[in-house]
Amino acid sequence: GQQLNQSPQSMFIQEGEDVSMNCTSSSIFNTWLWYKQEPGEGPVLLIALYKAGELTSNGRLTAQFGITRKDSFLNISASIPSDVGIYFCAGQLTGANSKLTFGKGITLSVRP
Amino acid sequence: DAGVIQSPRHEVTEMGQEVTLRCKPISGHNSLFWYRQTMMRGLELLIYFNNNVPIDDSGMPEDRFSAKMPNASFSTLKIQPSEPRDSAVYFCASSFRAGGYYEQYFGPGTRLTVT
Repeated sequence: GQQLNQSPQSMFIQEGEDVSMNCTSSSIFNTWLWYKQEPGEGPVLLIALYKAGELTSNGRLTAQFGITRKDSFLNISASIPSDVGIYFCAGQLTGANSKLTFGKGITLSVRP
Repeated sequence: DAGVIQSPRHEVTEMGQEVTLRCKPISGHNSLFWYRQTMMRGLELLIYFNNNVPIDDSGMPEDRFSAKMPNASFSTLKIQPSEPRDSAVYFCASSFRAGGYYEQYFGPGTRLTVT
């Protein structure tokens, strides 16, 4: 099936640093979504992107829908300890109805 | 606003027993999704419904799994008989599908352990 690639699997940063995460695919997606999951909880929607080239911010988070429609990135600025969690990208393929394809996620650790 | 509600939050059962997981989607949402999450396979879509009708159940692993959505505010995922390899966290998500918007909102999940 279609895959979204997220790497590396884990990232370790110092509090206050900025971090960028990529999500790539060989297929074209119409929608990109970024989720964060904390231990024992369900994924929480952070940002949704609907147009190629779109750049959207949510507080310290910024995400962009790649021009090629095959990638997206998420930036977190001035990281804080509560940014710890697993960050998933998800996309909706043309003709996939309501289904989303999820990446495997990146586990972010923030050192105080 | 109440989010997606799932029950139980934790379920421990013995192999061979029937397990029923429950989900109440966000009021007004017309699509409902069941996912399974494991370390090995990540987040897998099992089945989803639009307007209470099952649209795609290709992710349901085998006949032991079944899902129903008798009305817009309730869905169940049943495993009968359960096996240890079914141990995972099961999430329900809902969305309002209209005009090309696909934002899904997840419940807190049910952690299933089959011994």
